[in-house]
Amino acid sequence: RKEVEQDPGPFNVPEGATVAFNCTYSNSASQSFFWYRQDCRKEPKLLMSVYSSGNEDGRFTAQLNRASQYISLLIRDSKLSDSATYLCVVWGGNKLVFGAGTILRVKS
Amino acid sequence: ETGVTQTPRHLVMGMTNKKSLKCEQHLGHNAMYWYKQSAKKPLELMFVYSLEERVENNSVPSRFSPECPNSSHLFLHLHTLQPEDSALYLCASSHGRDRFKNIQYFGAGTRLSVL
Repeated sequence: RKEVEQDPGPFNVPEGATVAFNCTYSNSASQSFFWYRQDCRKEPKLLMSVYSSGNEDGRFTAQLNRASQYISLLIRDSKLSDSATYLCVVWGGNKLVFGAGTILRVKS
Repeated sequence: ETGVTQTPRHLVMGMTNKKSLKCEQHLGHNAMYWYKQSAKKPLELMFVYSLEERVENNSVPSRFSPECPNSSHLFLHLHTLQPEDSALYLCASSHGRDRFKNIQYFGAGTRLSVL
């Protein structure tokens, strides 16, 4: 089993749609969780940190379910500029582990 | 601009060449990292330096040799690479390595092609 698993997608959604991604992790001792965004042929950039049960930042909401060992990212009112790959990242055992990413394509 | 600069941005090299990738961070961070990103695969952590000391080496072949002369600079020396080493090589830095200091900031990467 992979340490961090994500649905690779792609998720193709129209502008204005709400879309959610899930991510599962295998290390129950993991303590911190992040969502990074990576645009095509660019570097990953931090989108949100999740240290407790969840976090909200404008149109983006991240939720953590420790019992089921998954993290979700909800994007409301999708914009064309939200098109990117979203990386689920888990910190535990003094290291970050990256998922392979979920591709989102928002279309007009 | 994330404060982490990598050069060169693109590199094409033959299997017998020797080249170096450079990373510089202007964020005052104490930890630096090299990652390899291949198509459709997760980022693979290669090396970690904390306060200029190598603290992690994830079974990386010896044809990759890191160097960290000070806390702001990180190099990856390459020699006798294989075509399967073609990938995007990303440098990152963070304040530290504990739970609340491990948010990593990435450079734009070096896209390496080995012929």
